Amino acid sequence: EAGVVQSPRYKIIEKKQPVAFWCNPISGHNTLYWYLQNLGQGPELLIRYENEEAVDDSQLPKDRFSAERLKGVDSTLKIQPAELGDSAVYLCASSYDSGTDTQYFGPGTRLTVL
Amino acid sequence: QKEVEQNSGPLSVPEGAIASLNCTYSDRGSQSFFWYRQYSGKSPELIMSIYSNGDKEDGRFTAQLNKASQYVSLLIRDSQPSDSATYLCAVNPGAASGTYKYIFGTGTRLKVLA
Repeated sequence: EAGVVQSPRYKIIEKKQPVAFWCNPISGHNTLYWYLQNLGQGPELLIRYENEEAVDDSQLPKDRFSAERLKGVDSTLKIQPAELGDSAVYLCASSYDSGTDTQYFGPGTRLTVL
Repeated sequence: QKEVEQNSGPLSVPEGAIASLNCTYSDRGSQSFFWYRQYSGKSPELIMSIYSNGDKEDGRFTAQLNKASQYVSLLIRDSQPSDSATYLCAVNPGAASGTYKYIFGTGTRLKVLA
């Protein structure tokens, strides 16, 4: 069974530029999560989707971040414009449901904003 | 008080020894608990999940949960240099709190000395 797929793995951009990250969850997983992880910290949830519905986006900085999961499968996270402080690893995870189910993480996208 | 607390370490143990990693959480109604291992530059990888009080063993790993005292621990027996990584504790408050998202600790860095 294929795991969570993310692309790109690395991205370097100048500040004020836009950037987008893509995630394809494990087949059959209804719940998809986007996390941000800073160096030396645990992952922090940005947004959680149940199928195509964003059910928890309270931690998403909506002035510059947006996300979509139009068909309830793959998802895109966008930052526009990027700031220096956005440099981090962006992790996507999926689970069958969001009750007590285990989350499986993708390899992440390491973003560097110059 | 942080919702999930871990000692950041590093915790150094000699090869073959038992490594003991601890995690405390603040939400008494939390229902599911997870330990992830994260190698430097990699994404979190699930080691153990535990939902009931007591011990759960899987190979060299044992997770211990005490809901009354609000702590969960991970024991690694016969530690190997390949176990050197950061260990993340994640807590899912679940239905009791109306929150179905993982809350991660900052992780404990383990170093197994050959």
